[in-house]
Amino acid sequence: QKEVEQNSGPLSVPEGAIASLNCTYSDRGSQSFFWYRQYSGKSPELIMSIYSNGDKEDGRFTAQLNKASQYVSLLIRDSQPSDSATYLCAVIGWGSQGNLIFGKGTKLSVKP
Amino acid sequence: NAGVTQTPKFQVLKTGQSMTLQCAQDMNHNSMYWYRQDPGMGLRLIYYSASEGTTDKGEVPNGYNVSRLNKREFSLRLESAAPSQTSVYFCASSDSGTGVGELFFGEGSRLTVL
Repeated sequence: QKEVEQNSGPLSVPEGAIASLNCTYSDRGSQSFFWYRQYSGKSPELIMSIYSNGDKEDGRFTAQLNKASQYVSLLIRDSQPSDSATYLCAVIGWGSQGNLIFGKGTKLSVKP
Repeated sequence: NAGVTQTPKFQVLKTGQSMTLQCAQDMNHNSMYWYRQDPGMGLRLIYYSASEGTTDKGEVPNGYNVSRLNKREFSLRLESAAPSQTSVYFCASSDSGTGVGELFFGEGSRLTVL
């Protein structure tokens, strides 16, 4: 059973701090990795994708991938109260026919 | 620009009743998906359609059927609803080429089965 694991949180950080969200996956053959943000009562929206080892930056967001350790992370710099949401890690595993396997999400709370 | 549209947004059913959730996308995407989301369980794939005319089971297909009516529309049917099917249902679509994994979600349909 392919799995994607996330700490459910809540992760609480003060406004302006760096929020660090982590994700591990079980399928060593996984190829593509995504972070979705879901506000309470809303649908998920894609915020980052990463396909190769290393860092990928987009504005205040940085995704980090380490395939050897089967580890993906999302850093949010200068966290804002509007970043308060649940963050879902998702992975396309080998042989999954391109379908995403989602983690259960980490709830982030940014305190003013 | 509507994106992915789901109907209805809310529904209450009694055990044994049937209903169909409708989904339409206007982004010319080949792939469409139905997920359910339950507290503590994350998003789980029910069925997907990689292209018009094809459908395949996901992780939790039991109790559901789907129809890919055309490229735009993908419906999910509950033939005999059970309380275990109380959930939030999300339809999503993606470009099966460069956009694999980049899903666009509808607003969700909140279903309660009594």
